Amino acid sequence: GAVVSQHPSRVICKSGTSVKIECRSLDFQATTMFWYRQFPKQSLMLMATSNEGSKATYEQGVEKDKFLINHASLTLSTLTVTSAHPEDSSFYICSARESGRRSSGNTIYFGEGSWLTVV
Amino acid sequence: TQLLEQSPQFLSIQEGENLTVYCNSSSVFSSLQWYRQEPGEGPVLLVTVVTGGEVKKLKRLTFQFGDARKDSSLHITAAQPGDTGLYLCAGGRSGSSNTGKLIFGQGTTLQVKP
Repeated sequence: GAVVSQHPSRVICKSGTSVKIECRSLDFQATTMFWYRQFPKQSLMLMATSNEGSKATYEQGVEKDKFLINHASLTLSTLTVTSAHPEDSSFYICSARESGRRSSGNTIYFGEGSWLTVV
Repeated sequence: TQLLEQSPQFLSIQEGENLTVYCNSSSVFSSLQWYRQEPGEGPVLLVTVVTGGEVKKLKRLTFQFGDARKDSSLHITAAQPGDTGLYLCAGGRSGSSNTGKLIFGQGTTLQVKP
């Protein structure tokens, strides 16, 4: 089946530094990927829609200059948290929809998630 | 603004009991999905419902999509400790700009005690 992989699964960085999280679709192409943020015991909050070859679309309240998204190929999207602060510590999850696939509903494949801790 | 209201948010029951989780909205969704998530992992899709009034069964789990496609429910029969986890409903909207974009409910943390 389709698999979406995230890397790294866990990362610790110092305040003020930047950290990049990768989201890869391993056996299908995805023109669109999505980035979510999740705090412990809470639900997923959509941060942005990553579009291959074009600018990402950010949800209201999400700082585009802080959370840089690049979708340079049909199988890879990256999320870079710039000038990280402790409050950016969270679980970041990506999802992808297979391109060109006709489905009866929005069947989405999720990555395993990436834990970010900013110290 | 949370468009999907999920309830209850926490549920602790004994093994063998039945339970129902509700997902309600004032908005219409083209599809609704239910996920189960373990701590530190990504959500795993349980079911997708797309037709108003649709009922799907997955072993002891029964999913229903409201006639107006604004609400859904998940019913678990004879819950087992292995059912413990975070259950999430997520709605999808129609339109090319919304394809793949999901709005999640607050989630229901279920604990089934042996």
